[in-house]
Amino acid sequence: GEDVEQSLFLSVREGDSSVINCTYTDSSSTYLYWYKQEPGAGLQLLTYIFSNMDMKQDQRLTVLLNKKDKHLSLRIADTQTGDSAIYFCAESRYQGGKLIFGQGTELSVKP
Amino acid sequence: GAVVSQHPSRVICKSGTSVKIECRSLDFQATTMFWYRQFPKQSLMLMATSNEGSKATYEQGVEKDKFLINHASLTLSTLTVTSAHPEDSSFYICSARDGPASYEQYFGPGTRLTVT
Repeated sequence: GEDVEQSLFLSVREGDSSVINCTYTDSSSTYLYWYKQEPGAGLQLLTYIFSNMDMKQDQRLTVLLNKKDKHLSLRIADTQTGDSAIYFCAESRYQGGKLIFGQGTELSVKP
Repeated sequence: GAVVSQHPSRVICKSGTSVKIECRSLDFQATTMFWYRQFPKQSLMLMATSNEGSKATYEQGVEKDKFLINHASLTLSTLTVTSAHPEDSSFYICSARDGPASYEQYFGPGTRLTVT
């Protein structure tokens, strides 16, 4: 079946880089996403990557995809206290398909 | 960008009553809307997918008679929790897609339901 796994917690110091990891089991995953959720709020799409790509960079965010190992990572450069939130990775098999989410990684940024 | 709203943001109801949650796409037409449930410190679990003008498709294990979903227009979907019980207390989040080929879902801010 489809399963997405993430580590639950990550703590970094302000200014450092954060790397949040995610693994998935569905080899048919075509679209992979990173969402950010702040306390008591909905989800905000940060970035996404298609399975035929291995890297995508968007300002402070870098997504790396290792399709062979089914491993996805999100790197946040120069992490700020405002980046403290829960980060979810998600996958879908086809464009517009349902999303399968990981458990979320709680990122804590200490000044 | 596309905006999705939910109403109410918080609701407290007594056990045995029903409560309706609205999800609206404010600046686009949503052909498909999704309803998720999120327990504290846990992931989002998809409950159902609703397409405008047709019956919702429920995920396995979700009681369709308990969680009534209506998607009567291209900008509004409602989730009604019938005969609510304390175990239904949760954070309910909707999302919307602006076309069948759209890869992005736009999420609402969520509704915190507490059943006493």
